[in-house]
Amino acid sequence: EAGVAQSPRYKIIEKRQSVAFWCNPISGHATLYWYQQILGQGPKLLIQFQNNGVVDDSQLPKDRFSAERLKGVDSTLKIQPAKLEDSAVYLCASRPPSGQSYNEQFFGPGTRLTVL
Amino acid sequence: AQSVAQPEDQVNVAEGNPLTVKCTYSVSGNPYLFWYVQYPNRGLQFLLKYITGDNLVKGSYGFEAEFNKSQTSFHLKKPSALVSDSALYFCAVPYSSASKIIFGSGTRLSIRP
Repeated sequence: EAGVAQSPRYKIIEKRQSVAFWCNPISGHATLYWYQQILGQGPKLLIQFQNNGVVDDSQLPKDRFSAERLKGVDSTLKIQPAKLEDSAVYLCASRPPSGQSYNEQFFGPGTRLTVL
Repeated sequence: AQSVAQPEDQVNVAEGNPLTVKCTYSVSGNPYLFWYVQYPNRGLQFLLKYITGDNLVKGSYGFEAEFNKSQTSFHLKKPSALVSDSALYFCAVPYSSASKIIFGSGTRLSIRP
């Protein structure tokens, strides 16, 4: 079974620039998550999708962050404009339908963003 | 509110010795608990979970975790550490009808040869 794919793996930008990350979840996984992991901390949920609908975006800084999952499969997360404090690893995860592997989420390798 | 705490930022163990990575929890209702591991430059990998039943849960890579309700703990253990076990370990608890996860702050495990 192929895992969660993310690209790019690394990105370096200057502050006030824009950046986009891409995620392709495991086939058949309806739920998709984006997390932000700042160095030395645990992952923090940014947004959760169920198919192509947003379930929870309460922790997403909507003035600069946006995310979409138009066809209910892959997803993009965008930051515009980026700030220094956005430097982090951005993790994508997906989850099987309810009733299978209780609540276990499968994570991609992440995108390490450095904002200079 | 659901939460987990990992009291140790770093744990150092000699190869071949037993290891323990500590986690305590605060949840309402029946606790469900997970452990994840993160190797350098890689995403999180699921290790094991406690849902109900036996207090000793076995997982991947020879790890196990002991659920203790009276001490509200879910410590991760391994009888004999390997250098390759060196990584960042996260305890986690689901919430919101079990569709979301809160992660602890993480414990860096370092195994010296």
